[in-house]
Amino acid sequence: RKEVEQDPGPFNVPEGATVAFNCTYSNSASQSFFWYRQDCRKEPKLLMSVYSSGNEDGRFTAQLNRASQYISLLIRDSKLSDSATYLCVVLETSGSRLTFGEGTQLTVNP
Amino acid sequence: NAGVMQNPRHLVRRRGQEARLRCSPMKGHSHVYWYRQLPEEGLKFMVYLQKENIIDESGMPKERFSAEFPKEGPSILRIQQVVRGDSAAYFCASSADRLDIQYFGAGTRLSVL
Repeated sequence: RKEVEQDPGPFNVPEGATVAFNCTYSNSASQSFFWYRQDCRKEPKLLMSVYSSGNEDGRFTAQLNRASQYISLLIRDSKLSDSATYLCVVLETSGSRLTFGEGTQLTVNP
Repeated sequence: NAGVMQNPRHLVRRRGQEARLRCSPMKGHSHVYWYRQLPEEGLKFMVYLQKENIIDESGMPKERFSAEFPKEGPSILRIQQVVRGDSAAYFCASSADRLDIQYFGAGTRLSVL
């Protein structure tokens, strides 16, 4: 079983759509959780951290369910500029390494 | 305030040559991490260093790969006797503390002919 598993995608949605990405992780003792985005295999850029209480940043909402070891990202009113690969990322208990999911590719169409 | 700086951005080597990849962390950051992204794959952790110390190298291949982060100067990822399978994007990240957010450099794309 992979340490971090994501929806394989790709997702193709029209502008304005709402899209949700799911992710599960295998290590119940994992420390911290993030969503990064990667454009055309450039460097990953932090989108947001994910907290158990859930957190929102504009059109983006992230949720963490520690009991189910499940992380989600919701994008509302999607824009063309949201087209990217979204990476579910877990910081391991040692605090020294990020473990990345394979990524879910999103294309927002006009 | 410059971000994480990596150079070169692109590196072409022939099989058997050595590749040296450099990474200067963000100002004020003393923790450096190297990740590798093979074609069509996700990022994989390689090594975690602090100044003059390797903290975790569990993701490094056993042979030909080494990393350092000297007291002065950038962190270096060194690949000896490169093979075609080493062709990948190598990303460096840095953080202010061990559990802090990691910020990534633009990466070095290594092509082995």
